[in-house]
Amino acid sequence: EAGVTQSPTHLIKTRGQQATLRCSPISGHTSVYWYQQALGLGLQFLLWYDEGEERNRGNFPPRFSGRQFPNYSSELNVNALELEDSALYLCASGRRGLSSGANVLTFGAGSRLTVL
Amino acid sequence: GQNIDQPTEMTATEGAIVQINCTYQTSGFNGLFWYQQHAGEAPTFLSYNVLDGLEEKGRFSSFLSRSKGYSYLLLKELQMKDSASYLCAVRGYSTLTFGKGTMLLVSP
Repeated sequence: EAGVTQSPTHLIKTRGQQATLRCSPISGHTSVYWYQQALGLGLQFLLWYDEGEERNRGNFPPRFSGRQFPNYSSELNVNALELEDSALYLCASGRRGLSSGANVLTFGAGSRLTVL
Repeated sequence: GQNIDQPTEMTATEGAIVQINCTYQTSGFNGLFWYQQHAGEAPTFLSYNVLDGLEEKGRFSSFLSRSKGYSYLLLKELQMKDSASYLCAVRGYSTLTFGKGTMLLVSP
């Protein structure tokens, strides 16, 4: 079974540009979660998509947005990039119904975004 | 909201036992997870607790006390490959909130 795949592995942008990151969940998983892992801050929750809808978002400005496609893959867009957006962006997938049972999130290896 | 605290770093010797603590305050609790993350890699699932008590899985065990808002991860017979960051995460109603992680360094 293929795991969660993310692309690109590394991305270098300059301030003010836009970045697009992609995620393909495990087959059978309908939920996709995005987290930002900046140095010293741990994993910060960004967005949760399920069945094509945004279900929840973390405490991030609106320039962080995304969408989920009919095949459950997802895209994270970051507009007007700032230096502090430099981080590892992790995508995780899970079965629907996060709040039930040991519904475990499986993570991808992440996309490393560097903003110069 | 949720607040999760765990030590920043710990060191231990190969073959020893180490306990990584996690305390949390949460407005909703629906389970506690531990993940392991090696440098440059994805976090991988280690354990899940939703009821009080100890869950054992090979060399790793995890304990939960909901009344105290406290969990620990116990690693026995430490190996060099256990050097990694250990992430405590609390599941609320619709999200999984992570602590900052504990970096464990195992030395020979």
